[in-house]
Amino acid sequence: DQQVKQNSPSLSVQEGRISILNCDYTNSMFDYFLWYKKYPAEGPTFLISISSIKDKNEDGRFTVFLNKSAKHLSLHIVPSQPGDSAVYFCASIRKTGANNLFFGTGTRLTVIP
Amino acid sequence: GAGVSQSPSNKVTEKGKDVELRCDPISGHTALYWYRQSLGQGLEFLIYFQGNSAPDKSGLPSDRFSAERTGGSVSTLTIQRTQQEDSAVYLCASSLGGGSYGYTFGSGTRLTVV
Repeated sequence: DQQVKQNSPSLSVQEGRISILNCDYTNSMFDYFLWYKKYPAEGPTFLISISSIKDKNEDGRFTVFLNKSAKHLSLHIVPSQPGDSAVYFCASIRKTGANNLFFGTGTRLTVIP
Repeated sequence: GAGVSQSPSNKVTEKGKDVELRCDPISGHTALYWYRQSLGQGLEFLIYFQGNSAPDKSGLPSDRFSAERTGGSVSTLTIQRTQQEDSAVYLCASSLGGGSYGYTFGSGTRLTVV
């Protein structure tokens, strides 16, 4: 049962434009959300997170938006750079009594120079 | 070390053989996780260690899978009688625990069962 879903396996964006990666979750008990970035042959690295008490968190070129009523979050990258080309994983957790993050299947972003 | 270290980076084994995968977490990180990523799939939780507490084994797919963590540091994931469906990248992560969710992942072990 996939509790975190990333329905777009891939996305291509022109350099300088905005990249929008989407994620949906089914468990209404999730209250903390993260995005990880993964380059080939490397482990995922933490990128940005958001608590359910917020609807937006921004860090430089990266902004995560959370819509709790729709159980949807998105990652915006602007402007996109070729070095952003990677697989992006969305992850969620219920902070109370939980032991592990639930990950989506990932979206491969390609930023075209 | 500075990061999470996993070995071997690649492992090819024959069906039916046992394999051991090793993870050396960041010093001081009390929480350690094993995940695996099969082709076209997301990261699947396998097992979680937190300090001296009993591990959460709820993600282990079968009794052929086991893991231990010695001295609260190094962890070994063992797969007995490997099957082709065990082929995946096995990722280890560690964190400070206690509500810290910024896991640090290793580079993974790519296991291929032939």
